[in-house]
Amino acid sequence: EVQLVESGGGLVQPGGSLRLSCAASGFSFTSYWMHWVRQVPGKGLVWVSEIDSGGTRTAYADSVEGRFSISRNNAKNTLYLHMNSLRPEDTAVYFCTTLAAPRDYWGQGTLVTVSS
Amino acid sequence: EIVLTQSPGTLSLSPGERVTLSCRASQSVNNDYLSWYQQKPGQAPRLLIYGVSNRATGIPDRFSGSGSGTDYTLTISRLEPEDFAVYYCQQYDRSPRTFGQGTKVEIK
Repeated sequence: EVQLVESGGGLVQPGGSLRLSCAASGFSFTSYWMHWVRQVPGKGLVWVSEIDSGGTRTAYADSVEGRFSISRNNAKNTLYLHMNSLRPEDTAVYFCTTLAAPRDYWGQGTLVTVSS
Repeated sequence: EIVLTQSPGTLSLSPGERVTLSCRASQSVNNDYLSWYQQKPGQAPRLLIYGVSNRATGIPDRFSGSGSGTDYTLTISRLEPEDFAVYYCQQYDRSPRTFGQGTKVEIK
């Protein structure tokens, strides 16, 4: 069974940092580019970042460029999102996903709340 | 960046009705790299259609996709109770990947 399980979300003050993790199982994690997508509760889906299968190429949405960093550990089948200088507008559910139709896998998301 | 604009924002319909959702891209989406997702409250998105018109595994044939260039359509031939949800189009032609803002299909 394919599973993507995010963790690391929670309440953080503005300007703070957080690291999200996404543990993958049930598919060949090392073969896939991986992505983070976020969603403000009640709003739409927004792509945040991507990383290639080898972990060498990355890309970011303009809104997080310079503050967020995506990485992966293929030996541990785990994807990460390091989030620094967090802002209230970063409050959202963060999903990890392959975004690789037709083998498109999503986690259930982890909620990040940025508030004082 | 390819901006995807979906219309309408909300549709109020009854079970059994036919639904047509629109997704317009700000520039051409090459290689038919256009998908449709369904999302229900509290759930992750579910892939319905990829490559403009290919149904994902397990998706019933009442769902179909069409289009080319900058204009794409998701059609649900006959609404079932479980189809009331939010639908998103998404392009994977180039980075940054982008989603439309969504169309909510609600029960009338």
